[in-house]
Amino acid sequence: EPEVTQTPSHQVTQMGQEVILRCVPISNHLYFYWYRQILGQKVEFLVSFYNNEISEKSEIFDDQFSVERPDGSNFTLKIRSTKLEDSAMYFCASSELKGGYGYTFGSGTRLTVV
Amino acid sequence: SQQGEEDPQALSIQEGENATMNCSYKTSINNLQWYRQNSGRGLVHLILIRSNEREKHSGRLRVTLDTSKKSSSLLITASRAADTASYFCATAWGNTPLVFGKGTRLSVIA
Repeated sequence: EPEVTQTPSHQVTQMGQEVILRCVPISNHLYFYWYRQILGQKVEFLVSFYNNEISEKSEIFDDQFSVERPDGSNFTLKIRSTKLEDSAMYFCASSELKGGYGYTFGSGTRLTVV
Repeated sequence: SQQGEEDPQALSIQEGENATMNCSYKTSINNLQWYRQNSGRGLVHLILIRSNEREKHSGRLRVTLDTSKKSSSLLITASRAADTASYFCATAWGNTPLVFGKGTRLSVIA
């Protein structure tokens, strides 16, 4: 069964450093998403991406965040200057359809900012 | 906000018992989905119920949807220790991305 692949599975970074979280969505999916989950809390939407541009973003997705699809397979989330409160699990997802159908989530990247 | 809110926040049952988790939401929906998350792991899609459906089954899972009350329930029958996880509902409306609730932590004691 096709999977969404996320790397790395765990990243530790110093506060103020830039991090790039990587995702390989399912190949025939057109819609891509990043979500985050602070430990013990709910899963929060960050951003959605379609046709090489952001289609929607939440209040959390401020200027320190950016997304990119640098080639035909990868989808990245960059956090420019990490803060302690960015420590969370970050999930990538992709879907073939819009409207909340057919999401497949990756297994996540646990980001720890120290 | 259309976010779902699950209750209870935590549920502890004996193996073999049934577990029922509820989700309430605030706005119209296209569909409602339930996901499972083992501790510190990824989100696994369990079941999707469309807004025009009232009940759906998948193995030991039974989901109901009452759009008039804006609520859904997930029933896991004959629970097993391996069912121990957090369960989240997520709602979809229009073309907006999925919105998740806070989740129910289920502990099944062998």
